[in-house]
Amino acid sequence: SYVLTQPPSVSVAPGQTARITCGGNNIGSKSVHWYQQKPGQAPVLVVYDDSDRPSGIPERFSGSNSGNTATLTISRVEAGDEADYYCQVWDSSSDHRGVFGGGTKLTVL
Amino acid sequence: QVQLVQSGAEVKKPGSSVKVSCKASGGTFSSYTISWVRQAPGQGLEWMGRIIPILGIANYAQKFQGRVTITADKSTSTAYMELSSLRSEDTAVYYCASGGLECSSTSCYTPSGMDVWGQGTTVTVSS
Repeated sequence: SYVLTQPPSVSVAPGQTARITCGGNNIGSKSVHWYQQKPGQAPVLVVYDDSDRPSGIPERFSGSNSGNTATLTISRVEAGDEADYYCQVWDSSSDHRGVFGGGTKLTVL
Repeated sequence: QVQLVQSGAEVKKPGSSVKVSCKASGGTFSSYTISWVRQAPGQGLEWMGRIIPILGIANYAQKFQGRVTITADKSTSTAYMELSSLRSEDTAVYYCASGGLECSSTSCYTPSGMDVWGQGTTVTVSS
């Protein structure tokens, strides 16, 4: 089955740029979706289809996807961005089953 | 905009089954898909399966095949996830989440991200 690999943790100072990667075999050929989850809350979709943002999500959140790596970029990081972030794809080779990465804890220093 | 409201917390014995509901309001129940995702304590998100309510067709993650059943009642706009043969490792928060629906000549699927989530249902399996 398809595997997505994320770093367990990323740390960044306020105002800086955070980049969270999601690795997968030829992931550039798939659409990648990103979710933010704060403690005790349900996940929230922050980027879909590699680089689109749902309404209400700040422009500071952006995404890219090429080759074997997708990246979620958070510009001008704020304390409120501290959360777990998960990448997700639908595996078209396996009846469009869902696959999540292991998640990345973003710490704002 | 769709809203998803899940049933309340459950405590179950090992070997038993649990059935969690997810009631949708707003939108058209038949025009989207409902996935179930679980999260064990301190762990990541795990996709369990999805149903296409308009077709009543579900597919499941291989890990849960044979142990999970996802159904939908179009008359009440409610999806259900039943997990059987419960063990302690099934202790988790279970979420339902909706996504769009797209159909090709061969299959129907969720084409994009899951944009609406339920509040989660805690299932505790303990003797």
